[in-house]
Amino acid sequence: QKEVEQNSGPLSVPEGAIASLNCTYSDRGSQSFFWYRQYSGKSPELIMFIYSNGDKEDGRFTAQLNKASQYVSLLIRDSQPSDSATYLCAVTDKLIFGTGTRLQVFP
Amino acid sequence: DTGVSQDPRHKITKRGQNVTFRCDPISEHNRLYWYRQTLGQGPEFLTYFQNEAQLEKSRLLSDRFSAERPKGSFSTLEIQRTEQGDSAMYLCASSTGQDQSSYNSPLHFGNGTRLTVT
Repeated sequence: QKEVEQNSGPLSVPEGAIASLNCTYSDRGSQSFFWYRQYSGKSPELIMFIYSNGDKEDGRFTAQLNKASQYVSLLIRDSQPSDSATYLCAVTDKLIFGTGTRLQVFP
Repeated sequence: DTGVSQDPRHKITKRGQNVTFRCDPISEHNRLYWYRQTLGQGPEFLTYFQNEAQLEKSRLLSDRFSAERPKGSFSTLEIQRTEQGDSAMYLCASSTGQDQSSYNSPLHFGNGTRLTVT
């Protein structure tokens, strides 16, 4: 079992829809969870971080953490074509990134 | 711009040659990380420093790889006797380490150094 797992996608959603990206992790003791966005050929850029169970909202983005089920998700509301990128989940207690989910938002 | 700076942006080398990359972190960040990323994969952890101390090194990292952060500021990553399998994007990131609640602070990445070994 990989330590951080993501569906590689692509996840295709129409413009204006909600995109839901999921990530599971194996280390039950993990405390810090991050979502990064990476455009093709560019380096990862931080979108959100979450430490506590529940939801955390920042603009169009909501991170959700459920430590009991060992998953963290990212919701993108009102998806835009400019959101098309690979989204990386990171569990930084162990400095591990997932392989990323490619999101495609079509007009 | 006070972000993480990496040099060079691109490096093409022949198999068997040595290469060295440099990373300048955000000035107030005491942690510095090196990752490697290949196409279609997430960043793979190589090593990290807390100030000048190298605290962790991936078991995947062969002895051809060495990293230094001599004064706790910039860092260098050297690859000796390069192989074609070393071709990748090498990413440097920095952070403030842990916050007051002992949670890991976010990593901020540089633009990376793309290495091509021919």
